[in-house]
Amino acid sequence: QVQLKESGPGLVQPSQTLSLTCTVSGLSLTSNSVSWIRQPPGKGLEWMGVIWSNGGTDYNSAIKSRLSISRDTSKSQVFLKMNSLQTEDTAMYFCARSSYAYWGQGVMVTVSS
Amino acid sequence: DIQMTQSPSSLPASLGDRVTITCRASQDIGNYLRWFQQKPGKSPRLMIYGATNLAAGVPSRFSGSRSGSDYSLTISSLESEDMADYYCLQSKESPYTFGAGTKLELK
Repeated sequence: QVQLKESGPGLVQPSQTLSLTCTVSGLSLTSNSVSWIRQPPGKGLEWMGVIWSNGGTDYNSAIKSRLSISRDTSKSQVFLKMNSLQTEDTAMYFCARSSYAYWGQGVMVTVSS
Repeated sequence: DIQMTQSPSSLPASLGDRVTITCRASQDIGNYLRWFQQKPGKSPRLMIYGATNLAAGVPSRFSGSRSGSDYSLTISSLESEDMADYYCLQSKESPYTFGAGTKLELK
């Protein structure tokens, strides 16, 4: 069965880099894309970016300069790295399979000193 | 980037009501439109894909439709378990974009 699980630090200091991992099971990353989506507390969903099945990437225009998505197909993992974090980056971060029928449970990231 | 204008932002309704939520796309997205339901503390749940197709396990009281650049999610007879936030997502063109969301609540 398809499962996705996000992991990473719960607290990041301002100006630092956020590193998150999405570990997938029950699907192949060479046949499926994986997207990252975030949601600040009490606010709506924001599509961040995607790594396609061929390894190509696309990013949200607003955060493109700070964001990088990569993967390790042998470990079934997708990585998100975002630099220059600010308090407004505090959010729940989700990864989701290409069809968006499968989502991880999310990981809460707080940006604070 | 394609903008998705979702309305209303809040929708008070009574059990048994027929309710409709709408997203308007700023440019052509064909039928590349999904609807999600999200309850507090939970991940979003796919309800509709391809603008009109019911996702697996979704009750038949939910339906999706399209009229030009307007996309709608309709619940034919509201049940208590339907109280949640709803979002649309266009996946016609990257970067994909979500609507701002609609909070469906009991009147």
